[in-house]
Amino acid sequence: GAVVSQHPSWVICKSGTSVKIECRSLDFQATTMFWYRQFPKQSLMLMATSNEGSKATYEQGVEKDKFLINHASLTLSTLTVTSAHPEDSSFYICSASILAEIYEQYFGPGTRLTVT
Amino acid sequence: AQTVTQSQPEMSVQEAETVTLSCTYDTSESDYYLFWYKQPPSRQMILVIRQEAYKQQNATENRFSVNFQKAAKSFSLKISDSQLGDAAMYFCAYRSTHGMRFGAGTRLTVKP
Repeated sequence: GAVVSQHPSWVICKSGTSVKIECRSLDFQATTMFWYRQFPKQSLMLMATSNEGSKATYEQGVEKDKFLINHASLTLSTLTVTSAHPEDSSFYICSASILAEIYEQYFGPGTRLTVT
Repeated sequence: AQTVTQSQPEMSVQEAETVTLSCTYDTSESDYYLFWYKQPPSRQMILVIRQEAYKQQNATENRFSVNFQKAAKSFSLKISDSQLGDAAMYFCAYRSTHGMRFGAGTRLTVKP
């Protein structure tokens, strides 16, 4: 149980275009979803927290207009990187938690974004 | 703000031996959870062990155990009988109502 999927697993896009990454909880309803960014050989950095039906809360230094997060249902959250640039190339990981297990997070497999 | 520090960028252990990974954290909160995650080359985050701050007893999961020193804000992971499959990046993480913070990670190598 508690499986989280991400799609796509790897995406290549051209500079200036937008790309959407999906995060789905497959067998549970995720009241909260989190988006992380991980550069090569570095740790995970929390970008934003989103609760279903509410606006996402972004961490300091994360551009909300560049990284659009939508959590329209209890099983789906999306991260859209708008006007992508090569410096946005990174590994993006989502995680989800259940209200009853607020301190537990179930991680997706991640999405590798390469901007050329 | 909460910070998590892993002072060992790399560690190495001989197969079947024991290794301890260090983690310290800084917080003013009283209610929180601590975790150790394993990230193999696939980059899928795998939960190794969790510790509730209100519990004094150290958590144990098979070959993995922690030494939780709340007053010292220390949370080390001990891996006993190390196996080749234990080789990975290990991240210490702090979780409160304000979100989760990760340490910089420790790369564990297991020598056959």
